[in-house]
Amino acid sequence: DAGITQSPRHKVTETGTPVTLRCHQTENHRYMYWYRQDPGHGLRLIHYSYGVKDTDKGEVSDGYSVSRSKTEDFLLTLESATSSQTSVYFCAISDSGGAGGRTEAFFGQGTRLTVV
Amino acid sequence: AQSVTQPDIHITVSEGASLELRCNYSYGATPYLFWYVQSPGQGLQLLLKYFSGDTLVQGIKGFEAEFKRSQSSFNLRKPSVHWSDAAEYFCAVGRGSTLGRLYFGRGTQLTVWP
Repeated sequence: DAGITQSPRHKVTETGTPVTLRCHQTENHRYMYWYRQDPGHGLRLIHYSYGVKDTDKGEVSDGYSVSRSKTEDFLLTLESATSSQTSVYFCAISDSGGAGGRTEAFFGQGTRLTVV
Repeated sequence: AQSVTQPDIHITVSEGASLELRCNYSYGATPYLFWYVQSPGQGLQLLLKYFSGDTLVQGIKGFEAEFKRSQSSFNLRKPSVHWSDAAEYFCAVGRGSTLGRLYFGRGTQLTVWP
């Protein structure tokens, strides 16, 4: 398995509270991503990062913010959690590779977040 | 707009039978195509990928997929299914040059009868 660790793996929180999920990689890959998985929707991209302090929005970014202060860490924050953010969150990494090559995305084990 | 369609939400096959999971995509440029598999409570594992070249690609666990540009399809196949193949399968299209920016289909749940 690629060296990706998500924490926590499970979390229950109350509506309106802030929540931060962490993704840590040991592969020194350039790109990091946050996805959410919901039944009937597959996975949808929330935010991604293409370098330290370089981030951009995905297709479902409303209500989420991210930060990347180090290559190995990518944080996802829900500023004020809502029930619609109950989901399984996956972190992924990929790299640009050498000699023009690219690596495909590797996924973490996921964080199950429940907002009550 | 880009999209990925997996028309079959749930497929049931008997162990030893052949399998084909369908995937159609809508993407303006030459697509990067992927199949991922997810076992319960686990993350996603890459089965195979298509970037260019030979349109029949081989993956892990005995899976293969064929890219058909004329049909905008990338169907996954396996000649003989094993009980351990029971899982959820996702087709994805890569957007842009970073291969982690993916559009996913909704997934196909595979059940294998003994």
